[in-house]
Amino acid sequence: GQSLEQPSEVTAVEGAIVQINCTYQTSGFYGLSWYQQHDGGAPTFLSYNALDGLEETGRFSSFLSRSDSYGYLLLQELQMKDSASYFCAVHGNDKLIFGTGTRLQVFP
Amino acid sequence: GAVVSQHPSRVICKSGTSVKIECRSLDFQATTMFWYRQFPKQSLMLMATSNEGSKATYEQGVEKDKFLINHASLTLSTLTVTSAHPEDSSFYICSVRGRGGQETQYFGPGTRLLVL
Repeated sequence: GQSLEQPSEVTAVEGAIVQINCTYQTSGFYGLSWYQQHDGGAPTFLSYNALDGLEETGRFSSFLSRSDSYGYLLLQELQMKDSASYFCAVHGNDKLIFGTGTRLQVFP
Repeated sequence: GAVVSQHPSRVICKSGTSVKIECRSLDFQATTMFWYRQFPKQSLMLMATSNEGSKATYEQGVEKDKFLINHASLTLSTLTVTSAHPEDSSFYICSVRGRGGQETQYFGPGTRLLVL
């Protein structure tokens, strides 16, 4: 079967750094994406990794290790507006499969 | 990126009625669209892949006769929830695969369905 596991919830304070992990087991793998979703909203794309290593986009970075079937999203200089749910998603076999999701709460 | 719209944004209906949700790709022609369902505090679950001009491909466990998908043009896919029941109440989101390839997928704003 297919599974993408993430921690259910993470809390942190403004200005801190947070890492959200994702381990996956899927049939077919082309890459790993990360999405942010605020309550009541649609997912918005954050990053994509097809190859091993770190991709940096502003305050957000994403890492992938294909041999370990593992990736993470790193959020730096946390802001209150970063409070949201974060999903990893595997691109495989012509479709996108989402992880269980991590709810991030940022406190002042 | 692509601009994707959904209509309606919110719908309330009585149990037993059918509800149609539209997903439009506003700025480019999409041969493939995807339909997801999301229950409160849960992940997005892929329901089906909508292919223009052909039958949709449904994920395991999704009833094709209950969730009718029509992708009659390159800019419009519709999802009809037939004989809706309270357990069908959910957030339905469509997405469009962009021109960039595997990694580009753009999501609509979602439709919140409440079945009474």
